[in-house]
Amino acid sequence: EAQVTQNPRYLITVTGKKLTVTCSQNMNHEYMSWYRQDPGLGLRQIYYSMNVEVTDKGDVPEGYKVSRKEKRNFPLILESPSPNQTSLYFCASSFTLAGGEYFGPGTRLTVL
Amino acid sequence: ILNVEQSPQSLHVQEGDSTNFTCSFPSSNFYALHWYRWETAKSPEALFVMTLNGDEKKKGRISATLNTKEGYSYLYIKGSQPEDSATYLCAFSYSGGGADGLTFGKGTHLIIQP
Repeated sequence: EAQVTQNPRYLITVTGKKLTVTCSQNMNHEYMSWYRQDPGLGLRQIYYSMNVEVTDKGDVPEGYKVSRKEKRNFPLILESPSPNQTSLYFCASSFTLAGGEYFGPGTRLTVL
Repeated sequence: ILNVEQSPQSLHVQEGDSTNFTCSFPSSNFYALHWYRWETAKSPEALFVMTLNGDEKKKGRISATLNTKEGYSYLYIKGSQPEDSATYLCAFSYSGGGADGLTFGKGTHLIIQP
């Protein structure tokens, strides 16, 4: 089954404790991206990747890192999480930007 | 940061009625315009991706049009059903020497009343 998976689905952590949210897709997509969704602000792109070893900042990259060492995986790293990073995070992938993105199930992160 | 505007913010429509809503985006350096459907407690699902001025796409009772010169797209739903209740998002990408990231609008929240 074609899918984008994210782990964990839910996470409660404390300020400053490094964490990684994994994202994996099984569709051989080249394009992958991370979004955060906050009430009243909609979906905002954090980082995206056009292919392996190619990553670019989206609209809200501060406080986040990503890597794309393999085509299927695109982890999101929060080196020192802060409460303003409490949000719902979505990973997504597509063949190209001219194709619709497949979204993962979301990760709800709470930073205390 | 690019500005993608959707209107209205929310919409109540009677079952069986047809409706439409708008997405406005910058008209320069256009690359693609996406529409997504997002049901509560689920993930967004792609409806359409349009790349050419004048494009029209259709999927069942839902269709979309694109005007890249003036920077707008319409999404139409014919004969609304309760299962059409969702938030409809549009997203824009521009070409800056190659396709760039996606910027989403805040969505139109559609409620179909039986």
